[in-house]
Amino acid sequence: AQSVTQLDSQVPVFEEAPVELRCNYSSSVSVYLFWYVQYPNQGLQLLLKYLSGSTLVKGINGFEAEFNKSQTSFHLRKPSVHISDTAEYFCAVINQGGKLIFGQGTELSVKP
Amino acid sequence: KAGVTQTPRYLIKTRGQQVTLSCSPISGHRSVSWYQQTPGQGLQFLFEYFSETQRNKGNFPGRFSGRQFSNSRSEMNVSTLELGDSALYLCASSLDSAGSTDTQYFGPGTRLTVL
Repeated sequence: AQSVTQLDSQVPVFEEAPVELRCNYSSSVSVYLFWYVQYPNQGLQLLLKYLSGSTLVKGINGFEAEFNKSQTSFHLRKPSVHISDTAEYFCAVINQGGKLIFGQGTELSVKP
Repeated sequence: KAGVTQTPRYLIKTRGQQVTLSCSPISGHRSVSWYQQTPGQGLQFLFEYFSETQRNKGNFPGRFSGRQFSNSRSEMNVSTLELGDSALYLCASSLDSAGSTDTQYFGPGTRLTVL
């Protein structure tokens, strides 16, 4: 069964520093991977998704992620974060039953 | 295009009561999925409706039910509320079945508090 593990529950970082949010998945079949962001008191917004093709996926707000099949990872990166990037980030995979399975989330806290 | 809307945004109920939450998908979207978000369990899939039929169901008790209308609007019902049902309930819509790779667009959620 597909599952997703987000390795860090909280990531504090200073403004303009680079950040990487880690995500590992387990799957024995083709994977479709997603990163969503949730700002306080809001729903989830899609940042980017990997379906097939190029392993480097670019998303909104300057984020990108790299699909690494050998390491079963899909880490999210941004070269320079802003205060406004403070939010919770969720990695997700669609499982064989067609359900979107989320990781536990990573709270990104950007400090001035 | 208007996004996914959910009503009400906040709700306070007492144990044993029942509650109905509403979700209006993006125009043209036929699939609606519901999720429960809690600090302890994270985001958990409840069910998915596509063209008025339940296509997928998560591991929740029968107290949780839903339906979808011909205009794709969906409602979720929880009967005999328990304290543990306190959560943010999120609705998401997509063009096709949520089992496809179509992007799911989320509403702002309904915050349910059970006292």
